Amino acid sequence: EAQVTQNPRYLITVTGKKLTVTCSQNMNHEYMSWYRQDPGLGLRQIYYSMNVEVTDKGDVPEGYKVSRKEKRNFPLILESPSPNQTSLYFCASRQGPIYEQYFGPGTRLTVT
Amino acid sequence: AQSVTQPDIHITVSEGASLELRCNYSYGATPYLFWYVQSPGQGLQLLLKYFSGDTLVQGIKGFEAEFKRSQSSFNLRKPSVHWSDAAEYFCAVGADNYGQNFVFGPGTRLSVLP
Repeated sequence: EAQVTQNPRYLITVTGKKLTVTCSQNMNHEYMSWYRQDPGLGLRQIYYSMNVEVTDKGDVPEGYKVSRKEKRNFPLILESPSPNQTSLYFCASRQGPIYEQYFGPGTRLTVT
Repeated sequence: AQSVTQPDIHITVSEGASLELRCNYSYGATPYLFWYVQSPGQGLQLLLKYFSGDTLVQGIKGFEAEFKRSQSSFNLRKPSVHWSDAAEYFCAVGADNYGQNFVFGPGTRLSVLP
């Protein structure tokens, strides 16, 4: 089954404790992205990647890191999480720049 | 860069009534337009997309959308709403330029009255 998977689905952590949210897709897509969703703001892009070792900042990259060492994986790293990063995070992939995005199930992160 | 507005934050309709959700975009070239739906606690599912050709596109779950270039709009419609359509709906615009090229609107929350 074609899908985007994310782990964990739910995470509660404390300020400053490094964490990684994993994302994997099995569709051989070139493009992958990370979004955060906050009430009233829709989805805002954090980082995106056009291919292995090619990443770039989206609208809200501060406080986040990503890497793309393999085509299928695109982890999101929060080196020192803060409460303002409490949000719902989605990973997405797509075949190319004009194609629709396929979304993972989301990761709800709470930073206390 | 492209942008998307969805003027209605929240819409309430009765079951069986017709629905239209508005979407306006800003982009200088030919846009690639999408509607996604997010049910409570769920991820995002693609309803329909417009790339080119016929400006009236059909999607899943009985939804359709019409692209109007002169109005920079891509409104979503359904002739008869079902209670299970209660969800949040996002319009998005993509572009074929290099880089950050997929922008979502803020969403419209749809409530359905029995």
